[in-house]
Amino acid sequence: GAGVSQSPSNKVTEKGKDVELRCDPISGHTALYWYRQSLGQGLEFLIYFQGNSAPDKSGLPSDRFSAERTGGSVSTLTIQRTQQEDSAVYLCASSPSSGYNEQFFGPGTRLTVL
Amino acid sequence: SQELEQSPQSLIVQEGKNLTINCTSSKTLYGLYWYKQKYGEGLIFLMMLQKGGEEKSHEKITAKLDEKKQQSSLHITASQPSHAGIYLCGAYYTDSWGKLQFGAGTQVVVTP
Repeated sequence: GAGVSQSPSNKVTEKGKDVELRCDPISGHTALYWYRQSLGQGLEFLIYFQGNSAPDKSGLPSDRFSAERTGGSVSTLTIQRTQQEDSAVYLCASSPSSGYNEQFFGPGTRLTVL
Repeated sequence: SQELEQSPQSLIVQEGKNLTINCTSSKTLYGLYWYKQKYGEGLIFLMMLQKGGEEKSHEKITAKLDEKKQQSSLHITASQPSHAGIYLCGAYYTDSWGKLQFGAGTQVVVTP
């Protein structure tokens, strides 16, 4: 079956612009996660959604970052007024439910802020 | 994550040789995952360990969990070029429901 997909695969933007990153989880997976992978910081948790529950936003680094999940499926991570330090690979993962389950990762979106 | 220390940071191994990567947690683990990542790709699940003393193998890769030390090791026997990549350990803790916390990763290079 289809895995987690993300788009775009690469995004280059200018400092100060807004960007939207998209994630399509595996069909039927109720939990969806966003992570960021950058040099020197490793892979860090940003936010996760579980069904219709309020998302856990505890990992979002600033209020410029937001995410939504429509219809319990597709998710969009939005970064407003991008800064150079936002340059990273943004990974999305999904799992059949939240909790202590295997997370299936997408290929990521490489964001470069000039 | 400072709670999860992974070592070494990188290693170069000759094809056919064995290698070991360690992942040590500063607090009690609920579960430990091993993933592999190649450049430009997502994380590929390798194994999950949950119980102390648990050991799992898949092809030439073996992972163990030492509950007393809160440490996991990933061992590759007779390495091949296909084993090259970044290996990441990820941990679940009882106070971080649903959030995997990752080590910094180990870059493995396999030379002819």
